Amino acid sequence: SYVLTQPPSVSVAPGQTARIPCGGDNIGSYTVHWYQQKPGQAPALVIYYDSDRPSGIPERFSGSNSGNTATLTISRVEAGDEADYYCQFWDSTNDHYVFGTGTKVTVL
Amino acid sequence: QVQLVESGGGLAKPGGSLRLSCSASGFPFSDYYMNWIRQAPGKGLQWISTISASGIIIYYGDSVKGRFTISRDNAKNSLFLHMHSLTAEDTAIYYCARVSNSGSYFDYWGQGALVTVSS
Repeated sequence: SYVLTQPPSVSVAPGQTARIPCGGDNIGSYTVHWYQQKPGQAPALVIYYDSDRPSGIPERFSGSNSGNTATLTISRVEAGDEADYYCQFWDSTNDHYVFGTGTKVTVL
Repeated sequence: QVQLVESGGGLAKPGGSLRLSCSASGFPFSDYYMNWIRQAPGKGLQWISTISASGIIIYYGDSVKGRFTISRDNAKNSLFLHMHSLTAEDTAIYYCARVSNSGSYFDYWGQGALVTVSS
């Protein structure tokens, strides 16, 4: 089955930029979505269709997808961005939704 | 506003069964595909099952196929997950989630229901 690989953790200082990669075989051929999950809460969509933001999500959140890597970028990181982040796509070959392994973002 | 509220979680014995429910409001439930997604303690998200708006099309993840059954009652705006032959590996928070109109991502999630499988 298809696997989306993310680094377990990313650390970033406030005001800096966090980049979270999501690796998969030719993932650039699919559309990727991103979710933020804070402790004790349900996941929430932060990026859809590779780079679109739902209403209410700050412009600091952006996404890209090409080749074998999709990337979530958080600019001007704030303490409130500390959370787990998951990438996801629809595997139409197997009729499965696939989540990435998840990345914990720590704000130093 | 869109609301998804899960219920029915709790303690089950290995080999036992449990039924989860998800009550939906704030949107035309019968127009949307719905899903169950779970998260084991300290672990990542795992998609479990999808059901189409009409209930005709159903997909299952490999780890639950043959043991779990998804269903819906559009007249009651409700989604269900019937879980059988439970094992400790099924211990998780189970989320009900709505699929976007594009069918590609999950735009609304419930707060989850905890299922614990233990003797």
